[in-house]
Amino acid sequence: AQKITQTQPGMFVQEKEAVTLDCTYDTSDPSYGLFWYKQPSSGEMIFLIYQGSYDQQNATEGRYSLNFQKARKSANLVISASQLGDSAMYFCAMREGPRAGGSYIPTFGRGTSLIVHP
Amino acid sequence: DSGVTQTPKHLITATGQRVTLRCSPRSGDLSVYWYQQSLDQGLQFLIQYYNGEERAKGNILERFSAQQFPDLHSELNLSSLELGDSALYFCASSDRGTGDSPLHFGNGTRLTVT
Repeated sequence: AQKITQTQPGMFVQEKEAVTLDCTYDTSDPSYGLFWYKQPSSGEMIFLIYQGSYDQQNATEGRYSLNFQKARKSANLVISASQLGDSAMYFCAMREGPRAGGSYIPTFGRGTSLIVHP
Repeated sequence: DSGVTQTPKHLITATGQRVTLRCSPRSGDLSVYWYQQSLDQGLQFLIQYYNGEERAKGNILERFSAQQFPDLHSELNLSSLELGDSALYFCASSDRGTGDSPLHFGNGTRLTVT
């Protein structure tokens, strides 16, 4: 079963508008963390935002915020005031509790392509 | 700039060959991760090292191996290459390797096997 599901293969938004990228996850671990990464066409993976399962408030980082709905197991990324430079692939990732050996290994979704129109 | 350096940026080689991908983590980061990104499989975790020791293994083929050296740089060795090994290989590092530490990715090595 997919641990991370990103159902929107592609999204379009007008410059300066807000956009929400969906992410649902599947885990029975009470302690987990959720990450969002951006991958521009140049290929690098850029960390955007992190939300821990015990965090009471939704995470925010500048124009990025994470709409965390624990009961629904969703962790949507909201980008406010979209810019042309936001055009990229966006990946949601989850890390569950430590594996044997104490490692936390993020599992990634398949990504959502965002195109920002002028 | 994430501070993670990967070389080479591009690699083109033939089937059956062996290649080595190199990664220097961010200064101070002890944990190194290798991921493979392909169109059909997405981003797949291969292996993790922490301060020179292997910590976790993912979907890494037996033809692939890795190590982390005392200066914390890491190498991923891919041998007996097949066409299906063509992919973007990422190295990432984190400081403590704890659950809330984000991974910081390098720019990747794009491997093309012909």
